[in-house]
Amino acid sequence: DAGVIQSPRHEVTEMGQEVTLRCKPISGHDYLFWYRQTMMRGLELLIYFNNNVPIDDSGMPEDRFSAKMPNASFSTLKIQPSEPRDSAVYFCASSEGTRAYEQYFGPGTRLTVT
Amino acid sequence: GQSLEQPSEVTAVEGAIVQINCTYQTSGFYGLSWYQQHDGGAPTFLSYNALDGLEETGRFSSFLSRSDSYGYLLLQELQMKDSASYFCAVRDPSGATNKLIFGTGTLLAVQP
Repeated sequence: DAGVIQSPRHEVTEMGQEVTLRCKPISGHDYLFWYRQTMMRGLELLIYFNNNVPIDDSGMPEDRFSAKMPNASFSTLKIQPSEPRDSAVYFCASSEGTRAYEQYFGPGTRLTVT
Repeated sequence: GQSLEQPSEVTAVEGAIVQINCTYQTSGFYGLSWYQQHDGGAPTFLSYNALDGLEETGRFSSFLSRSDSYGYLLLQELQMKDSASYFCAVRDPSGATNKLIFGTGTLLAVQP
């Protein structure tokens, strides 16, 4: 299995631009999670999906952030407009419903907003 | 609410044994997980304890005491490659959810 795939691995953009991060979960996993990690705030859950349906988006910082999962093998996290404080590493993770304790993380996208 | 406490940093020498503690406060409990994250890498799952006692996986072991709301990760025969951050995590008990709540992480530095 290829594991969780994320793209791009690195993104540098200017303030005000739209950023789209992409994720392909492990085949057969019915849960997908988006996290953000910074030195100051640690690992934060932004949103998660079950069977392509958003279940909890309470971690999404504000309306500038949106996430979609149009099918079981693809999800996007969009930031529009981006701000310097959005600079972080964004991880996508997936898991099987029966093994909630074991999440598989993608390599992450390092986002820098200048 | 839910909270997990871990030491921020631990230092040990190659070949030694180190214990990383985690105490948790949750309104319900479904088990304690441990993840490892190398600098610049992604968190990777190490172990899980649903019941009290010790779970062993090679050089790594994890322990849980539900009555004490406490667990630890034990790393034996330390190697330089074990230098990483280690996170404990619990499943969010606020309903039927697969959300994990992560601790703030312990940075382990293994010295030669």
